[in-house]
Amino acid sequence: EPEVTQTPSHQVTQMGQEVILRCVPISNHLYFYWYRQILGQKVEFLVSFYNNEISEKSEIFDDQFSVERPDGSNFTLKIRSTKLEDSAMYFCASSARTGIKVEAFFGQGTRLTVV
Amino acid sequence: DAKTTQPNSMESNEEEPVHLPCNHSTISGTDYIHWYRQLPSQGPEYVIHGLTSNVNNRMASLAIAEDRKSSTLILHRATLRDAAVYYCILRDTTSGTYKYIFGTGTRLKVLA
Repeated sequence: EPEVTQTPSHQVTQMGQEVILRCVPISNHLYFYWYRQILGQKVEFLVSFYNNEISEKSEIFDDQFSVERPDGSNFTLKIRSTKLEDSAMYFCASSARTGIKVEAFFGQGTRLTVV
Repeated sequence: DAKTTQPNSMESNEEEPVHLPCNHSTISGTDYIHWYRQLPSQGPEYVIHGLTSNVNNRMASLAIAEDRKSSTLILHRATLRDAAVYYCILRDTTSGTYKYIFGTGTRLKVLA
């Protein structure tokens, strides 16, 4: 069964360093998303991406964050200068199309620990 | 913010059916009801979704009230592997991305 894959599963980084979280969405999916979940809290929307551009972003997704689809398969989330409060699980999701009845599929997540 | 209300936690015995309720009194005529679950240390997993009619798939059944102000996710025979947080979600329709807005969900504990 097709699945969204994320790498690495766990990333430890020093505060102020740049990190890139990688995702391989399901093949032929066109809509891509990043969500995050701080330990013990809700899953929060960060950004959605379609046709090589951001279609929506949340207040969390400030100038420190960027997304890119560098080739036909990968979808990346970059945090330029990590802060302690960026420590969280980051989930990538994809869907074949958009719409109120279309389900999205999530990856297993990358646990980011900023020290 | 989340437009659904769910109990914080529920318990079930293994092999017994589980009924997980969700209230969505402000649902609009075009809102689909989506259910996801999140097993420990994993990403959200799609379970089922529906509009008006009851829905069945290999994982679960979704019973939707006639007025659509509530729904119930039914796991027919709970297993230990079904222990997870279950989210009932209405997609955000204020923008074209239809993003998910997760609430706190129901933490299901399955007793052996």
